[in-house]
Amino acid sequence: NAGVTQTPKFRILKIGQSMTLQCTQDMNHNYMYWYRQDPGMGLKLIYYSVGAGITDKGEVPNGYNVSRSTTEDFPLRLELAAPSQTSVYFCASQEGNAFFGQGTRLTVV
Amino acid sequence: GENVEQHPSTLSVQEGDSAVIKCTYSDSASNYFPWYKQELGKRPQLIIDIRSNVGEKKDQRIAVTLNKTAKHFSLHITETQPEDSAVYFCAPGAGSYQLTFGKGTKLSVIP
Repeated sequence: NAGVTQTPKFRILKIGQSMTLQCTQDMNHNYMYWYRQDPGMGLKLIYYSVGAGITDKGEVPNGYNVSRSTTEDFPLRLELAAPSQTSVYFCASQEGNAFFGQGTRLTVV
Repeated sequence: GENVEQHPSTLSVQEGDSAVIKCTYSDSASNYFPWYKQELGKRPQLIIDIRSNVGEKKDQRIAVTLNKTAKHFSLHITETQPEDSAVYFCAPGAGSYQLTFGKGTKLSVIP
């Protein structure tokens, strides 16, 4: 039982490049989330999903996109990366308690 | 949306002393009140939670108390140890979904 798995753990992007952060959970949770955490700060919600085929914006969605084709997978897409997107990204799934992935540390240069 | 505030933002205690962190929220529909611990460089993990039909819950050295009338809940850590040093987040939610995280409290336990 792996819980929530995120890949990659680290990534450096150049300004304008694109990438997808992968997130998979094996707990059959309907609710999944993407957060970003800037240094010394709390967690800000980017996007969330209440089930396969359903996604919605959180507090800071600009510059990101998501999809939820299956219950297990909830990838986060960055188009045209900007330095302001340098952060640590956490995926989480939830049924009551929230379980987090190990995080992706992204640097945009 | 939910407005969540945590106090204090930083807290230093001597080993063995108690620590208390308070979380205030705005949404009266909130009925799930968890606390998460995040050690440096690691993911947040749930340490204790409470639901709105309960006023207090204990788990060994940690406890959470809830005052729904005043819209705040608190994390209490007794007999603090160096491994309690971390950032703690409250994350109230309605129906235990769509949690709104506070900005966090950095707790330092001084040996």
